[in-house]
Amino acid sequence: GAGVSQSPSNKVTEKGKDVELRCDPISGHTALYWYRQRLGQGLEFLIYFQGNSAPDKSGLPSDRFSAERTGESVSTLTIQRTQQEDSAVYLCASSSDRGFTEKLFFGSGTQLSVL
Amino acid sequence: ILNVEQSPQSLHVQEGDSTNFTCSFPSSNFYALHWYRWETAKSPEALFVMTLNGDEKKKGRISATLNTKEGYSYLYIKGSQPEDSATYLCASPGGKLIFGQGTELSVKP
Repeated sequence: GAGVSQSPSNKVTEKGKDVELRCDPISGHTALYWYRQRLGQGLEFLIYFQGNSAPDKSGLPSDRFSAERTGESVSTLTIQRTQQEDSAVYLCASSSDRGFTEKLFFGSGTQLSVL
Repeated sequence: ILNVEQSPQSLHVQEGDSTNFTCSFPSSNFYALHWYRWETAKSPEALFVMTLNGDEKKKGRISATLNTKEGYSYLYIKGSQPEDSATYLCASPGGKLIFGQGTELSVKP
């Protein structure tokens, strides 16, 4: 595709339910990031995939969060047993670069609301 | 954990004013410094990626400078317009790309 695609654009769920967010990066981009922005806060790093290397999961806030990426294509971010504090905009970004010298292209985000 | 700090947190200017913001980052093991603009209801968009000490980049009325030895970058906007209203983010890698909290710019007509 022409850009980074994320789905769904909006998700409303009940506390305790599991949710799955999807990111389709730009074709050929080896690097893929997940960030989130909670209300009134900045962009918070969650996880980073680079090619076939082991992902950097250091930003995942708890073991309820997990993410997968198949090769250099689609990534899914799964949140189990959602809590109200998980409400946020979840952004995915991809880049062609291994050395952080190329810009990130962001998707339009998933607005997650946990009731 | 890499600390990327931005100041000020918010800025309100009149149309036509020139303004600037600061991004500070640890100067050791420097790779690159990114600037992004994030408009409400849109996705962040890249403005600049800077890698060399002393580098200056320009895009229209927006420019940026980089000092890797002292660990700071300035973003300048000349003759601010209402459409410049956005949050401006900088980011620097420390194993992954970490963003500062951003500077929220509001330009009043």
